[in-house]
Amino acid sequence: QAVVTQEPSLTVSPGGTVTLTCGSSTGAVASGHSPYWIQQKPGQAPMTLIYDTSNKHSWTPARFSGSLLGGKAALTLSGAQPEDEADYYCLLSYTDVRARVFGGGTKLTVL
Amino acid sequence: EVQLVESGGGLVQPGGSLRLSCAASGFTFSNSWMHWVRQAPGKGLVWVSRINSDGSSAIYADSVKGRFTTSRDNAKNTLYLQMNSLRAEDTAVYYCDSGPLGYWGQGTLVTVSS
Repeated sequence: QAVVTQEPSLTVSPGGTVTLTCGSSTGAVASGHSPYWIQQKPGQAPMTLIYDTSNKHSWTPARFSGSLLGGKAALTLSGAQPEDEADYYCLLSYTDVRARVFGGGTKLTVL
Repeated sequence: EVQLVESGGGLVQPGGSLRLSCAASGFTFSNSWMHWVRQAPGKGLVWVSRINSDGSSAIYADSVKGRFTTSRDNAKNTLYLQMNSLRAEDTAVYYCDSGPLGYWGQGTLVTVSS
């Protein structure tokens, strides 16, 4: 089974910009992997921020954006707020093996 | 208002069975591919299963293949996860999620222990 890799932890200053990345053990992440980015705060259910690489939901703050960058999926947070402190998970789809795989998550600290 | 409400979790002995339900409302459930995702205590999210909109096709993570079965009743707007031959490592909060629609339930806790 494919392994999806994320930075275990990142720190950003309030108002700063940070990019979280998501790689695949099978090679470059492409739009066909339909990358999702999911936010989870302590004690809460997950919440999908980004789907299919860069699409946002109505509840996704404008400061979040998704893209493909250097063979990886990327989530960029521009203008970090204290409430953005959370775990962020990447999810990739592997249609060839009919499976979806989460990354291990990135713990983002706003400090 | 969109809602996904999981139920059916609880304590079960190793080797036992449990059926989870996810009741959907506020969106067109019958058009939506649905997923099950789980999270062991203090651990990350793990994808479990996906079912297509009419229930004719379901796929599973290797860790549950042959033991878990996902189904749905579109007339009742409900998603199911039948879990058999449960193991201690299946202990987790189980969430249903609507994929690209972005809706998640609050989860139901399954504990497998003797």
